Amino acid sequence: DIQMTQSPSTLSASVGDRVTITCRASQSISSWLAWYQQKPGKAPKLLIYKASSLESGVPSRFSGSGSGTEFTLTISSLQPDDFATYYCQQYNSWWTFGQGTKVEIK
Amino acid sequence: QLQLQESGPGLVKPSETLSLTCTVSGGSISSSSYYWGWIRQPPGKGLEWIGSIYYSGSTYYNPSLKSRVTISVDTSKNQFSLKLSSVTAADTAVYYCARVERVTAIRYWGQGTLVTVSS
Repeated sequence: DIQMTQSPSTLSASVGDRVTITCRASQSISSWLAWYQQKPGKAPKLLIYKASSLESGVPSRFSGSGSGTEFTLTISSLQPDDFATYYCQQYNSWWTFGQGTKVEIK
Repeated sequence: QLQLQESGPGLVKPSETLSLTCTVSGGSISSSSYYWGWIRQPPGKGLEWIGSIYYSGSTYYNPSLKSRVTISVDTSKNQFSLKLSSVTAADTAVYYCARVERVTAIRYWGQGTLVTVSS
């Protein structure tokens, strides 16, 4: 099975900060990686698919990069609505989620 | 607009079987383009993939749950279902159903339903 490891687990940041979250796969997953944002009590929301494709309607301050085993999600200028938990998910070989990164207010 | 809705008991006794159904509206479950999946999230914890099914009935189960999970599809009702046997308190979670696409992963989720395992 493919394991996904996210870092950091928690990130404290201020509005306007540039934020980067990393996700590593235990083996190559090509570009079959998605990023989701989840707020309390809500289902996750797709932000990025195929490592770097921005989902329709998602603000352009969100971007994804990487291939193979190492991936990043970047928020170029953190906004108040972005404080949430973020998950990566591989879908190269079935499906596995990372453990999540909580972005909290500094 | 595609919608998914989970339904089923919110309380299950230990050692019994958890049963949930996901009703799909606004689209056909028989499309060859998608898998249909179940994901769960224990309170305060991360997301765990339970398993997925294709409209033809082929399935994939998380190896850690495989011995207890059955996912089935009813194309006539545009529904798919989850059964998880021999539940314990560790199976207490919000259970989500979702549509899984090859290129875009999960664009559509149900709202989630909390299932508590307790006597």
